[in-house]
Order: sequence, then structure tokens, then C-alpha cells
Amino acid sequence: QSALTQPPSASGSPGQSVTISCTGTSSDVGGYNHVSWYQQHPGKAPKLMIYEVTKRPSGVPDRFSGSKSGNTASLTVSGLQAEDEADYYCASFAGSRQWVFGTGTKVTVL
Amino acid sequence: EVQLVESGGGLVQPGGSLRLSCAASGFTFSRYWMTWVRQAPGKGLEWVAHVKPDGSETYYVDSAEGRFTISRDNAKDSLYLQMSSLRAEDTAVYYCVRHTDWSFDYWGQGTLVTVSS
Repeated sequence: QSALTQPPSASGSPGQSVTISCTGTSSDVGGYNHVSWYQQHPGKAPKLMIYEVTKRPSGVPDRFSGSKSGNTASLTVSGLQAEDEADYYCASFAGSRQWVFGTGTKVTVL
Repeated sequence: EVQLVESGGGLVQPGGSLRLSCAASGFTFSRYWMTWVRQAPGKGLEWVAHVKPDGSETYYVDSAEGRFTISRDNAKDSLYLQMSSLRAEDTAVYYCVRHTDWSFDYWGQGTLVTVSS
């Protein structure tokens, strides 16, 4: 049950796009379309932003989108806004009712 | 409105035990898988344990297997995590989380567990 690999940081200017990768293996990310993404502001609980690789929960802006290719999933934030500055975590089903999270990426809005 | 409120955290000595509780409201608790996720200070999220809606099946991360027990009382809309043989590396904020559509859609605010002598 090794954590999924994410870049420690990513950044962009307001209005730009930033893409965060989440790399696993064929036993988790690559094996299932059960990848989700979470946003966490300092001192707050995580918030679901994307589920089932590409789906957005009600209330999440369409600036947030997800995709997957092979063992790597990605989250793209388009039209960056100041409030998007936060930590982002991916998560994947890993079989046998096990789940694994990513290492986390700190997104900075320049 | 879905609400998950954790309690029971605190300071405990290595080797000690602690029981966390989570009070759920705003949804039909008995229909959902429930999960505990933890976050060590300054670190990332870690899935800890998972329980089926009727409580008949439970699953754990390897480091919690044999030491932690997840359970639920659907009559009280409550989730629990009994932790024993606690180690310094169990120090974390523990979140109670609702599971649906292969994701974790609602999170409590968390309760801090500190394992230290």
C-alpha cells in the first residue's frame, strides 16, 4: 500500500491553468476508474473535487477537471483563482477494499 | 445538511488505548460505507479503515491491522475507532468520512490524537 506519487508543488498566475499528476500502478490507478481528488485549505478538512476520474460533485466549479492515462491520473485547474491555493490529494481504490491516497501537491497562485 | 462530528481525541502514552467516536446527521447513516482517514502533522492523508453499512465487513491499512477496530452503531448514527497499542507514528488528526460513488464525499473536522510520553 504505497502512497500514490504527486509533485510536491505546482504554481500558476491568476487565469492560467495548472495540472497535477498522480502516479500509481496497475494495481490501483491503472486498474480502476475509481480515482478522486481532494482540496484542502490550511486547518480545514479535505473537500471532494473530482470522483470517478472525471466527474464533478454538485457545486464544484467546472474549472476543475480530471483525466487518466494508464497508471497516471491528472487534475487540471483552469482559470486559476486566489481561492484555489491549497493542497490537493488524489486517491484511488487499490483492490480488496483498500484505498490509497497521493502524497499531496501544494498549489500556489502567484 | 450532512454533518460528521468526531470526538475522543487527546494525549495518550505509547502502548495506550483510545476510542474515537463520530456522530453523523443529515443523511441515512445505515446506507453508507464509513471510513476513518488520518493526517499526521504536516503530512498527507492516509486511509485507515472502512466499514460496510451493516457493520459486517471491515478493512484496514496494514499498519492498523490487529491494533485498530472500526465499528458502528446504526441505531445511534455513530461510527467508532478503537485504537490500542498506540505508537508515536499514530499521532494524527483522525477524520470521519462518508464513502459513496467510489470516493469520500463528506468529511468531519477531525479530532487530534497525540501519542507521547
